[in-house]
Amino acid sequence: NAGVTQTPKFQVLKTGQSMTLQCAQDMNHEYMSWYRQDPGMGLRLIHYSVGAGITDQGEVPNGYNVSRSTTEDFPLRLLSAAPSQTSVYFCASSYVGLSSAAFFGQGTRLTVV
Amino acid sequence: ELKVEQNPLFLSMQEGKNYTIYCNYSTTSDRLYWYRQDPGKSLESLFVLLSNGAVKQEGRLMASLDTKARLSTLHITAAVHDLSATYFCAVDSYGGSQGNLIFGKGTKLSVKP
Repeated sequence: NAGVTQTPKFQVLKTGQSMTLQCAQDMNHEYMSWYRQDPGMGLRLIHYSVGAGITDQGEVPNGYNVSRSTTEDFPLRLLSAAPSQTSVYFCASSYVGLSSAAFFGQGTRLTVV
Repeated sequence: ELKVEQNPLFLSMQEGKNYTIYCNYSTTSDRLYWYRQDPGKSLESLFVLLSNGAVKQEGRLMASLDTKARLSTLHITAAVHDLSATYFCAVDSYGGSQGNLIFGKGTKLSVKP
């Protein structure tokens, strides 16, 4: 079972560069989300999607774009990387249901220099 | 603004001892989640608590939810070293199953022989 797959696992960017973090899930989950994790801050929601073609902003959306053209994929784009975006990024998915817990990918560790 | 507060943030325990981690949240929610994270790893779902008075147990961990007090507890019984990890509680940001979680900052648990 692949679950939630994130690529790449590690990335170093220069300030101003753009890139896309990939996230794919094979569980046919409706909901997908992106979080960033910083030391002492827990996880903070960046963007989320409740289905293909539908996205919305979370707590910390500035500097990030998302789109959801298929149920399986939910890429996160950094438009112009800044050192403040150095973080570990997690993608998560969940299905519609009262007992639905989110499944998390393995994370992408991003460093912006 | 929905806030989720955990305490303590750091917990050093001896093996065999009991302790409780507390999770307070600031708005009405009928659903609360507990996750575990090992260093450098992803998040693993432990419990989904769906209603007031819900209690769930798995091994040495027991979680409960009091929606009137907006409080959840994670009780550790007779701690063992394998329980060393960071534990997060989270609530749905809009009170629904949309997978948009607001996390506490986490409790880093260290169990020493």
